[in-house]
Amino acid sequence: QQQVKQSPQSLIVQKGGISIINCAYENTAFDYFPWYQQFPGKGPALLIAIRPDVSEKKEGRFTISFNKSAKQFSLHIMDSQPGDSATYFCAASRADSSYKLIFGSGTRLLVRP
Amino acid sequence: SQTIHQWPATLVQPVGSPLSLECTVEGTSNPNLYWYRQAAGRGLQLLFYSVGIGQISSEVPQNLSASRPQDRQFILSSKKLLLSDSGFYLCAWRETGLYSNQPQHFGDGTRLSIL
Repeated sequence: QQQVKQSPQSLIVQKGGISIINCAYENTAFDYFPWYQQFPGKGPALLIAIRPDVSEKKEGRFTISFNKSAKQFSLHIMDSQPGDSATYFCAASRADSSYKLIFGSGTRLLVRP
Repeated sequence: SQTIHQWPATLVQPVGSPLSLECTVEGTSNPNLYWYRQAAGRGLQLLFYSVGIGQISSEVPQNLSASRPQDRQFILSSKKLLLSDSGFYLCAWRETGLYSNQPQHFGDGTRLSIL
């Protein structure tokens, strides 16, 4: 029940295309859903995040879509660029003493020029 | 602004040797602190977290330990490293607060190789 399942494991997209990464969770107590971007040899960096009272959040080319009833959320990268090539992690947390994040297994995105 | 520092960036250690990885945060007080391990091509596994000085919670039983001797200092240790301890170790911090929508911020990690 603590898991966050992420798919696909890897994704290849042409420059200018749309990249879509999906995540699903079971624990309805989760109330914060961030996405992180990680480049090789670096720590993950927060990309965008959403709370379950919102169905969509957009920041530039990055959009989170959230479906509370299905317990699913997804990251859409519009007009994908070669510089977006990285590993993306979804995560979830709930309000308790630790606020620890439960991470998905990651998606390696390659954007071809 | 807040910054997080981890060192060393890379480390090669023999099996059975001790380990000490250090993480410090600047520009904030009483942060929540976290240690994660990331195996090659895998997700992040939470190892320890701390909500205050001397307060350590362990998520995964293993031969690693953590300590928080000062407010903004978090140390990951081992007395005797195993081959399975190889990986990318990441420290993270977040502001304390009542709401979960305060993000965790990660350092650039330590790449640990055990020979």
